[in-house]
Amino acid sequence: GAVVSQHPSRVICKSGTSVKIECRSLDFQATTMFWYRQFPKKSLMLMATSNEGSKATYEQGVEKDKFLINHASLTLSTLTVTSAHPEDSSFYICSAPISGQGRKLFFGSGTQLSVL
Amino acid sequence: KQEVTQIPAALSVPEGENLVLNCSFTDSAIYNLQWFRQDPGKGLTSLLLIQSSQREQTSGRLNASLDKSSGRSTLYIAASQPGDSATYLCAVGTGNQFYFGTGTSLTVIP
Repeated sequence: GAVVSQHPSRVICKSGTSVKIECRSLDFQATTMFWYRQFPKKSLMLMATSNEGSKATYEQGVEKDKFLINHASLTLSTLTVTSAHPEDSSFYICSAPISGQGRKLFFGSGTQLSVL
Repeated sequence: KQEVTQIPAALSVPEGENLVLNCSFTDSAIYNLQWFRQDPGKGLTSLLLIQSSQREQTSGRLNASLDKSSGRSTLYIAASQPGDSATYLCAVGTGNQFYFGTGTSLTVIP
């Protein structure tokens, strides 16, 4: 089956540093990648939609300069949390739909970010 | 805007029981509906995908149904096991967007 590989799975960083999260589609081409944030015991909150070769579309309330998304190839999308602060601590997860499988969504394994 | 609701928010059942999880959505113009399982601190694992033209899908002990006209889907789990304990989410696909329910936290007691 299709796989979305997300790294790192866990990161702890100091306040003010930047953190990059990668999502790779291993055996399919992901023209679209969704980035979510999830708080404990809550559902997924869509942050942005990235499309290969174009600018990401951010949801209302999500700071574009804070959460930089790059989708430079059909197999790689990255989310960079710039100048991270403790309130950015959360679980971040990506997903990609596959058109050839009825637009079935495949998810990465998630990244737990802890900012000290 | 599509709104997706899941009831109940939490469910606790003894091992061996059959159970039903519910998902409702407000706009029937959907492309598909997908059920996922999420274990704590993990990503989402796809369980079943139902296209808008389908009424149900089955995989092992799982059966998902879809009634677009009433805006409802159910996930039926037969003979529940402790390993089924997880959070179950439904997602409605419309156009190029997916809308997630609030999830049902299931605990199966040995």
